[in-house]
Amino acid sequence: RKEVEQDPGPFNVPEGATVAFNCTYSNSASQSFFWYRQDCRKEPKLLMSVYSSGNEDGRFTAQLNRASQYISLLIRDSKLSDSATYLCVVTNFGNEKLTFGTGTRLTIIP
Amino acid sequence: GAGVSQSPRYKVAKRGQDVALRCDPISGHVSLFWYQQALGQGPEFLTYFQNEAQLDKSGLPSDRFFAERPEGSVSTLKIQRTQQEDSAVYLCASSLGLAGPRSYNEQFFGPGTRLTVL
Repeated sequence: RKEVEQDPGPFNVPEGATVAFNCTYSNSASQSFFWYRQDCRKEPKLLMSVYSSGNEDGRFTAQLNRASQYISLLIRDSKLSDSATYLCVVTNFGNEKLTFGTGTRLTIIP
Repeated sequence: GAGVSQSPRYKVAKRGQDVALRCDPISGHVSLFWYQQALGQGPEFLTYFQNEAQLDKSGLPSDRFFAERPEGSVSTLKIQRTQQEDSAVYLCASSLGLAGPRSYNEQFFGPGTRLTVL
């Protein structure tokens, strides 16, 4: 079993819709949690960190449930420019290395 | 430039050939990471340097893979006797370093080297 699991998709949703991605992680000692975005043939870029209290950045909301070892990302009022692969990422205590999920591919349809 | 750079951007190698991939991190970044990304997968950790010290090489898939960062800046990932299963994008990332026991410094990724082994 992979340490970080995501539904690979693809998710094809119409412009303006709300879309939600989920991710689970297996290591209860995982410390930091992130969503990265990766455009086709480009490098991953940090989208947002994820906190237990939940955090919002414009149209994006991320949530962490430590008890269930579950991370979510919600995108509201989706734009064509949101089309990308969204990678769920964790780090473990005292260790900088990133552990990535497989990624969820999102396509926004005009 | 201001970001992480990698060269070459594309490399085609014949099976059995040795290759060397270069990473120039952001100036002043202490930590440097190498990741391997196979098609349709997320990046997988290979190895990690703090300055010139290689602190973790647990992700290197075999002894054909070797990485170095002799002066604590530029790093080279070398793959000897390449195999078809080595075909992937090799990503380099750098960060300011571990911020503290419960903190994190963002890793900035380079554009990657796409390696194809025929």
